Amino acid sequence: GAGVSQSPSNKVTEKGKDVELRCDPISGHTALYWYRQSLGQGLEFLIYFQGNSAPDKSGLPSDRFSAERTGGSVSTLTIQRTQQEDSAVYLCASSLRTSGEETQYFGPGTRLLVL
Amino acid sequence: GQNIDQPTEMTATEGAIVQINCTYQTSGFNGLFWYQQHAGEAPTFLSYNVLDGLEEKGRFSSFLSRSKGYSYLLLKELQMKDSASYLCAVIQTRAGRRALTFGSGTRLQVQP
Repeated sequence: GAGVSQSPSNKVTEKGKDVELRCDPISGHTALYWYRQSLGQGLEFLIYFQGNSAPDKSGLPSDRFSAERTGGSVSTLTIQRTQQEDSAVYLCASSLRTSGEETQYFGPGTRLLVL
Repeated sequence: GQNIDQPTEMTATEGAIVQINCTYQTSGFNGLFWYQQHAGEAPTFLSYNVLDGLEEKGRFSSFLSRSKGYSYLLLKELQMKDSASYLCAVIQTRAGRRALTFGSGTRLQVQP
């Protein structure tokens, strides 16, 4: 079956430009997560969507970062006025909320390079 | 607050056994995951523990002690393809919300 997909797979942009990253979660998964991973580093939580609840934005590093999830499915992470320190792999994951295990399934990531 | 500690790097020999430890400090504990991540790829699920004890899945086993805030991932009969980063992640519930926090990962190098 189809897994989590992300686009673009790679993005090179100039400092100061805005970028949009897209995530298509697994069909039927109600939870969606965005993470950031810098080279050789662990995963940094950014934002979490669960159903129709207000998203948990506690991990967003600055107000230049925002995310939307439309219709409870596709999500877009937007970075405004990109900076060089925004260069990282942006990973999206989704999970099927149950009363127990909540395995997250990750997409392939978008590699962002800000010049 | 929450703190997750794992060794940064480990080296082991093909065919051997290796144990990767993870300690955590958290409130509202709701489970612990281990993920495998090969270089340049996304993490993939390995195991989930919510009760104390050992969960075995083929060559991989994961152990949890909630009272000690401690888990380990045990890899047996190591293969070269096991060279990867292994991420420990803890589910915490706070204010009715679930949050999953990842450790920085342990880079395992399997040598011939």
